[in-house]
Amino acid sequence: DTEVTQTPKHLVMGMTNKKSLKCEQHMGHRAMYWYKQKAKKPPELMFVYSYEKLSINESVPSRFSPECPNSSLLNLHLHALQPEDSALYLCASSLGTGLSNQPQHFGDGTRLSIL
Amino acid sequence: QQQVKQSPQSLIVQKGGISIINCAYENTAFDYFPWYQQFPGKGPALLIAIRPDVSEKKEGRFTISFNKSAKQFSLHIMDSQPGDSATYFCAANLQTGANNLFFGTGTRLTVIP
Repeated sequence: DTEVTQTPKHLVMGMTNKKSLKCEQHMGHRAMYWYKQKAKKPPELMFVYSYEKLSINESVPSRFSPECPNSSLLNLHLHALQPEDSALYLCASSLGTGLSNQPQHFGDGTRLSIL
Repeated sequence: QQQVKQSPQSLIVQKGGISIINCAYENTAFDYFPWYQQFPGKGPALLIAIRPDVSEKKEGRFTISFNKSAKQFSLHIMDSQPGDSATYFCAANLQTGANNLFFGTGTRLTVIP
């Protein structure tokens, strides 16, 4: 079992709904990441948080809104999504940014379907 | 622009055979090269990783070979098993700064009994 826990595992929502994805880790990691993965493609970076501060936003549309309430939690708030946003959303964490030999550890993702 | 190129796209190997997946990169500033294994419905799991000052790293049946001058690295899976059937992603990392991971396009490995 992964040490990065994501909930829910599956989510179906309409284009006008508001929902949130949650990610939790208790490894003492201070960097957390959101990725989007389409079928048969590699993960694509969306956001990076370092010490609870947003350090990278990879030109993600504003209908995705990340939040890092504390060092163990990462949320992704969703609003007015489009069908093309249907994908697997992965959370990852690492000890920190700017450190050597510190891999990213991934959760099992939330499978999101937009109707 | 694909920062890390991976081949082949898919690979079928007999049980007990050797699976080989190749990756190449351009940015010489990359300083950490992890491989991830992903099963359907699961997130990528770290398999093995190497730094560019090492030419080979072995963990059990998995070996990374690294050629710094050619900017290439590869994953060898010895004695491949049906349980190894998964998608494998190579990646390259800039660990200074934001710790960005640049993934290859993935290789779907099927090991037939």
